[in-house]
Amino acid sequence: EPEVTQTPSHQVTQMGQEVILRCVPISNHLYFYWYRQILGQKVEFLVSFYNNEISEKSEIFDDQFSVERPDGSNFTLKIRSTKLEDSAMYFCASSYLAGSTFGSGTRLTVV
Amino acid sequence: AQSVTQLDSQVPVFEEAPVELRCNYSSSVSVYLFWYVQYPNQGLQLLLKYLSGSTLVKGINGFEAEFNKSQTSFHLRKPSVHISDTAEYFCAVSRGTNAGKSTFGDGTTLTVKP
Repeated sequence: EPEVTQTPSHQVTQMGQEVILRCVPISNHLYFYWYRQILGQKVEFLVSFYNNEISEKSEIFDDQFSVERPDGSNFTLKIRSTKLEDSAMYFCASSYLAGSTFGSGTRLTVV
Repeated sequence: AQSVTQLDSQVPVFEEAPVELRCNYSSSVSVYLFWYVQYPNQGLQLLLKYLSGSTLVKGINGFEAEFNKSQTSFHLRKPSVHISDTAEYFCAVSRGTNAGKSTFGDGTTLTVKP
């Protein structure tokens, strides 16, 4: 069964550093998403991406965040200057129609 | 805008007992509904989804859910649970179009005891 692949599975970074989280969505999917889950809390929507542009974003997705689909297969989330409160599990998801397939997540720890 | 309420934060049950995890939603438009399972330190796995048609939806691992439009509910059930069903379960809703963000509930921790 097709999978959404995320790398790395764990990332530790120092506060103020830039991080890039990488995702390879399912190849025929058209819609791409990033969500985050702070430890012990629910999954929160960050951003959706369609036709090479952001289609929707939440209030969490401020100027520190950006997304890109640089080569038609990868889908990245960049955090420009990480803060302690950015520590969370970040999930990539993709969909063709309704119902997203989620990746296994990247656990980001900001120290 | 949509919202999801999972009515129970924790559900402890004994092995081989039936279980129901409750989910209510609110939306001003038609919706799609989903249940995901998350095992410790792992990602989200889709259990089942309701898009249209039959209101009783069967998913993986013996789970099923029933969409009730009048009660705006989408409760998840399993007639006989196993120890391996111990996990966090999330109900989610998205607007009833081809694609869109999912809004998740707070989650229900299912603990199956021997």
